[in-house]
Amino acid sequence: NAGVTQTPKFQVLKTGQSMTLQCAQDMNHEYMSWYRQDPGMGLRLIHYSVGAGITDQGEVPNGYNVSRSTTEDFPLRLLSAAPSQTSVYFCASRRGRNSYEQYFGPGTRLTVT
Amino acid sequence: EDQVTQSPEALRLQEGESSSLNCSYTVSGLRGLFWYRQDPGKGPEFLFTLYSAGEEKEKERLKATLTKKESFLHITAPKPEDSATYLCAVQAPGGGSNYKLTFGKGTLLTVNP
Repeated sequence: NAGVTQTPKFQVLKTGQSMTLQCAQDMNHEYMSWYRQDPGMGLRLIHYSVGAGITDQGEVPNGYNVSRSTTEDFPLRLLSAAPSQTSVYFCASRRGRNSYEQYFGPGTRLTVT
Repeated sequence: EDQVTQSPEALRLQEGESSSLNCSYTVSGLRGLFWYRQDPGKGPEFLFTLYSAGEEKEKERLKATLTKKESFLHITAPKPEDSATYLCAVQAPGGGSNYKLTFGKGTLLTVNP
């Protein structure tokens, strides 16, 4: 099992550009989520999904879109990048409703200039 | 509002010098408390889940304990390879489909040889 994979590992964007961060898992987990990690702050939930076709907002959803067309993939879209979105982004998955252990990907470091 | 506070922010130990990290939490209806290890430039790696006060879990030199207000991560005879940031998170009811995970800011542990 590769676990949770993320691409790209690093990305630099200009303000106003859009892009998609990719996330995939091969553990057949129902739940997937996106977090951002900023210096001096804990991991904060952006969006999550409890199954294919079902997504919901987390703590800091503004400026981001998600969709979940398959169990394996959960891409995160930045619609119009802003410097405030400079962060490290982590995708995570867990088995399902009654299984709370989350497994994280290696992260994408995004810089918006 | 759910809160997780970790202390100290940073801890420097000599190899073999045992110590403890603290995670205090305020949450209604704790579903689980999680400990993660995060190495620089990597995603958090799952260590332990604790569900109820009095529970203990062990893994190599690490032992996690839980009370009704806090959790401790005890490190016995640490080695330099134990150096990392240790994250605590709590799972509370709510947030749709039982998805509400709150992270602390972490404790940066450095073990000197």
